[in-house]
Amino acid sequence: AQTVTQSQPEMSVQEAETVTLSCTYDTSESDYYLFWYKQPPSRQMILVIRQEAYKQQNATENRFSVNFQKAAKSFSLKISDSQLGDAAMYFCAYSAPGGGADGLTFGKGTHLIIQP
Amino acid sequence: NAGVMQNPRHLVRRRGQEARLRCSPMKGHSHVYWYRQLPEEGLKFMVYLQKENIIDESGMPKERFSAEFPKEGPSILRIQQVVRGDSAAYFCASSPPGARNEQYFGPGTRLTVT
Repeated sequence: AQTVTQSQPEMSVQEAETVTLSCTYDTSESDYYLFWYKQPPSRQMILVIRQEAYKQQNATENRFSVNFQKAAKSFSLKISDSQLGDAAMYFCAYSAPGGGADGLTFGKGTHLIIQP
Repeated sequence: NAGVMQNPRHLVRRRGQEARLRCSPMKGHSHVYWYRQLPEEGLKFMVYLQKENIIDESGMPKERFSAEFPKEGPSILRIQQVVRGDSAAYFCASSPPGARNEQYFGPGTRLTVT
């Protein structure tokens, strides 16, 4: 079974600084998808960024970028120029090819605090 | 295009009662997933459905829980004889045909069992 591990229960960063959230995963598949979701206090799950394993280029969405290291099975999220609205729980998630019959596998999350 | 709708947003049930959670997928989406989030935890997959079919229910507890996605109307997650341990946030996600990796989440239903 696939597992996703987020080793940082909580991270704190000053507004306008850069922060990196860590995620590692375990799979025997060669093709899969990785995601970062944001869950603000409203509890709505918001897709931040998506990476396809067969693509070597790291995904980027505005201030959010990933460092995808396939051999190391590592998928970290970098948030540049942190803003107060970035404060939330961040979940790393894995999906097998074709969506997988068992949906997304989530890590336990990292609580990101933005210091003004 | 409206997003994934879930209702109710909050549901309180006494032990032994039934809970019915509803999910309307995004327009054009034919796949529905249900997840449960316990306090301080990530989301855990429960069941994957297409219209009138349960594709995978490997994450569903064997007893008291059931799900359906009828031809017409929303998907329903039903919990019979609720217990305190069922208290959690239940999220529904939907994805379009041929793109099951694009899952869009609803706002969740927070179930409290007293």
